[in-house]
Amino acid sequence: GAVVSQHPSWVICKSGTSVKIECRSLDFQATTMFWYRQFPKQSLMLMATSNEGSKATYEQGVEKDKFLINHASLTLSTLTVTSAHPEDSSFYICSAINTGELFFGEGSRLTVL
Amino acid sequence: GESVGLHLPTLSVQEGDNSIINCAYSNSASDYFIWYKQESGKGPQFIIDIRSNMDKRQGQRVTVLLNKTVKHLSLQIAATQPGDSAVYFCAEITMDSSYKLIFGSGTRLLVRP
Repeated sequence: GAVVSQHPSWVICKSGTSVKIECRSLDFQATTMFWYRQFPKQSLMLMATSNEGSKATYEQGVEKDKFLINHASLTLSTLTVTSAHPEDSSFYICSAINTGELFFGEGSRLTVL
Repeated sequence: GESVGLHLPTLSVQEGDNSIINCAYSNSASDYFIWYKQESGKGPQFIIDIRSNMDKRQGQRVTVLLNKTVKHLSLQIAATQPGDSAVYFCAEITMDSSYKLIFGSGTRLLVRP
């Protein structure tokens, strides 16, 4: 099946710094990607829909200035957590659509100290 | 929103027994439903899907049942194996929402040897 890759898998940063997470579709082009956040022992919550060539669509309650999304090409979307704080520590997962199926990345665990 | 420290419900079964995991979905207009398996520290893995015009679908060792009247989904796993231990999520899509998945709260399956 199609492969979606995330990088980095793990990242630890200091409070107040910004962190970029990449989501790549390795063997297909994705005009739409999705970013999810998952806190421990909780479900995945959709944060935003990333659209190649246009602005991302954010879900209610998600700060677009806090979580910057850039869909730079048909194979890459990035999520930047700006001025990260400990409460932003979470598991961030992306997904992409290929021929009508959704494929998920392996996730990126962010820990903000 | 979800409260911090929310614990996932847990289903504990004996190896070889059948497992039934239940899910209540939220939107009566949802057209398409998917069950995902998530192992610790990994992204969701597709198990089986079902469209709203069906009430049952079978895969290899898994069966999904859909009851639209009460907005209920179930996942049945036959002859549960230790490798089935994971967290299971149902997800719903409304086809006019461009593959925007809404995840259920999840159930942890523990398989006792």
